[in-house]
This record gives sequence, C-alpha cells and structure tokens, in this order.
Amino acid sequence: GQSLEQPSEVTAVEGAIVQINCTYQTSGFYGLSWYQQHDGGAPTFLSYNALDGLEETGRFSSFLSRSDSYGYLLLQELQMKDSASYFCAVRDRGTGFQKLVFGTGTRLLVSP
Amino acid sequence: DSGVTQTPKHLITATGQRVTLRCSPRSGDLSVYWYQQSLDQGLQFLIQYYNGEERAKGNILERFSAQQFPDLHSELNLSSLELGDSALYFCASSVERGRAYNEQFFGPGTRLTVL
Repeated sequence: GQSLEQPSEVTAVEGAIVQINCTYQTSGFYGLSWYQQHDGGAPTFLSYNALDGLEETGRFSSFLSRSDSYGYLLLQELQMKDSASYFCAVRDRGTGFQKLVFGTGTRLLVSP
Repeated sequence: DSGVTQTPKHLITATGQRVTLRCSPRSGDLSVYWYQQSLDQGLQFLIQYYNGEERAKGNILERFSAQQFPDLHSELNLSSLELGDSALYFCASSVERGRAYNEQFFGPGTRLTVL
C-alpha cells in the first residue's frame, strides 16, 4: 500500500518563505506531485518531481529525495492568495501509470 | 477553468437512494479519474478509465460503479447511499501519453449531501 504524511497546518506571514514537507511510503514510485486547493475549489496542479533535486516554477519550488522518500514544497514571497490546502501525491506504479495517491493535505494560513 | 465539467454542482438526497454524477473531460483527454473528498480529508482515488476501459481501481465501494462512454464522458453511480457518502466528488482528466507524467485537471466537483 501507500501512505503519505504531511503537517496538518502551517502558518506564515506575507512575504515570508514556508516549506511544506511530505514523506511517503509506496511499493512502487514514479514521482511526487503537488496540488493546491482553495476552500470550495478544485485541486490545481503545481509541480511534479520524478528525479532527485529541486524544480522551480516562479515563487514555488519542489524538491525530491527518493532515497529518503521525502519531498517538500517551498513557497517564497508569500501572498494572501496562497492561503489554501496543499497536497502531495505519489504517482503509483500500478496497473495505471497515472494513478495518484494523495496525502491528507497541509492547510497554509498566510496572515498580513 | 480547467476545461473539465461536472454536473450537478450540488446534490441532496436521502439514505438508500441512488444518484449519478456526470463528468466531461477536457477535449483530447482520454483518461478520467474519480476522487472522493470528505470533510477536511484528502482526495481518495476511486477509479480510473482510459478510452472507455477501466484502468485502475482504488478504494471504491461495491455500491459505487462507474463507466466511460464512447464520447469519453464518464458517470459515477452511487447506490444504497449512506450518510457517510456525503462528500465532494471530483472528476479529473489527463491526456496520458505512455509513461510520461501528465498533470490531472480537476473539475469543479459535485457536492453530495445524504440526509
């Protein structure tokens, strides 16, 4: 089976940097994704890491260490609109390559 | 707007009833995924269809079933509904080209309330 662990909540102030960690256990690993979900909204894709290292996309970066079964999402220059839930998801090596197993999410609260 | 549409947006029904949720994927996407999200919970993968055929199954209850039609839209059928089935149900689609990763685009969801 698969399991993912994330902190349930993180708070930060505008302009700060925050890191959301994700550790995972899976029998077959293809990659780690991050999705953002605002309250009442649909999840939207942020990033994907298949190889070790850092991927940067604007203010957001995502890191993966396959040997440690660990990844994180780094959000810089925080804005109020970044207040949302962030989910890591493992791309599972099952019968369907694109099957994603999601963590329970980290609620990020950005204050002025 | 992700390009994925779901109907209805809200559904209120009683225990024991049966409902059908509908999803139309983005133009060109062959894969459709269904997820359940209960209050303050993560997304639970239910089932995936690819070009009309079931591709992967998650923790989908036997009371639930799904199908993907030739025009690629998909329906999720929930029967003998229980209070615990109240949740947000999301559909997502992706183009899925072989082993390469394709991001999933989520629809706006259907909020099901079972009374």
